[in-house]
Parts: sequence; structure tokens; C-alpha cells
Amino acid sequence: GESVGLHLPTLSVQEGDNSIINCAYSNSASDYFIWYKQESGKGPQFIIDIRSNMDKRQGQRVTVLLNKTVKHLSLQIAATQPGDSAVYFCAENRSPGRRALTFGSGTRLQVQP
Amino acid sequence: GAVVSQHPSRVICKSGTSVKIECRSLDFQATTMFWYRQFPKQSLMLMATSNEGSKATYEQGVEKDKFLINHASLTLSTLTVTSAHPEDSSFYICSARWLAGYNEQFFGPGTRLTVL
Repeated sequence: GESVGLHLPTLSVQEGDNSIINCAYSNSASDYFIWYKQESGKGPQFIIDIRSNMDKRQGQRVTVLLNKTVKHLSLQIAATQPGDSAVYFCAENRSPGRRALTFGSGTRLQVQP
Repeated sequence: GAVVSQHPSRVICKSGTSVKIECRSLDFQATTMFWYRQFPKQSLMLMATSNEGSKATYEQGVEKDKFLINHASLTLSTLTVTSAHPEDSSFYICSARWLAGYNEQFFGPGTRLTVL
């Protein structure tokens, strides 16, 4: 069935490097995407979102890119810090009327000092 | 702003008992709240969508008689796990959709349920 998935389950980077976390989605009708960060034992924390009528959005140290042609979403974290170590989930809104989110399987980001 | 709380944060109960988990939006009104379940090292799975003043919408495979949801106000939703069994042990997380926003969902800190 349709799903939101990730290319890499674990990503290890050096402190100060840039990180890129990827996500593939298969539902072309999805109109809204969000990246969440989840630390162990805690709820997901909103990072950044993007609507389907955009292809790029920037926040503080983070950028989300949306490529609707290949159904690909990415999260870029600049100057990665140890505090960025967590599991990152992409989520998509497949049903605009209902606003429920479908989560991808997650990528663990490990930042080496 | 946009803070969501859950209570309790952790609960241990005996098999056969019922457990109630509260989800509150502390500084905003939420017409819709969502309940998720997360097993270790897995993603979040949507259980149900809760709308203030109406019946919850459950995802396929989720037993509505076992997971009772009540959304009594714009700031409070409760999930009751009835007759809990060890297989119900999980991390339960709620989220609230900001009334004034597009579809931003803000998550609570989660409730760790352990059924003995």
C-alpha cells in the first residue's frame, strides 16, 4: 500500500557538518508535510512544515525541500550539533479534509562530537 | 505557545484494569486531537481522531470498545484503555491541531503504559 518511507534508518555525522535526512512518499494527493524530531521517551517535536504548493522552506538552521516530481522530501540541518541527535520522522497529510498525519518509519541521527 | 500536556506520564497497571490518559492543550484551543501509539523503535501509528463534541473516528484495526475516546472540550481529550492486557503496553501520544493554523499538530510528551 501507499506509505511514507525513508532511505536511511541511521545517519551518523560529525559535529559542525550539515545533515540531510531523506523521505520518500507515494501519495501524490498529499498536500502538507511536516518534519518532527523525537528524543528518547518524549513526544515528537515540530521542526518545520511545507505545503505542496512550495518546493522549499527555511527555518532556523533547517531547510525542507519538496520534490513533487519524484515524491521526495528532505530535511537539511546546518552545522549539526550534539543536541540534534534524535529520531527524525517525516509525516504527510494524505486526507486534506481530515487532517490526520501518516508518519514515516524514522531516521536516527547520531552526531559525533 | 502551543503546549500539549499528557497525564500521567507513566502508568503501570494489572491486567484487566482500565487506564485513563488525559491530553490537554494548555494555551490554545484544539478542535481536533489525535491519538497515536508507538512501539519501541517504531514509528507512530494513528489510532483515532477526536473531534470536540462528536464521536471519535477510529483507524482500521483499532477496537473502539477497547480504546474509548472522549473529547469533552476544546482543550481536553481522554483515552481510556479498557480491560488492559500486556499487549496493550506501549507509548501513547496525543496531538492537538491548532484551531487557527493550517494543519500544525503539536504533540504531548507521551504516556508510557505497562500492563503486568
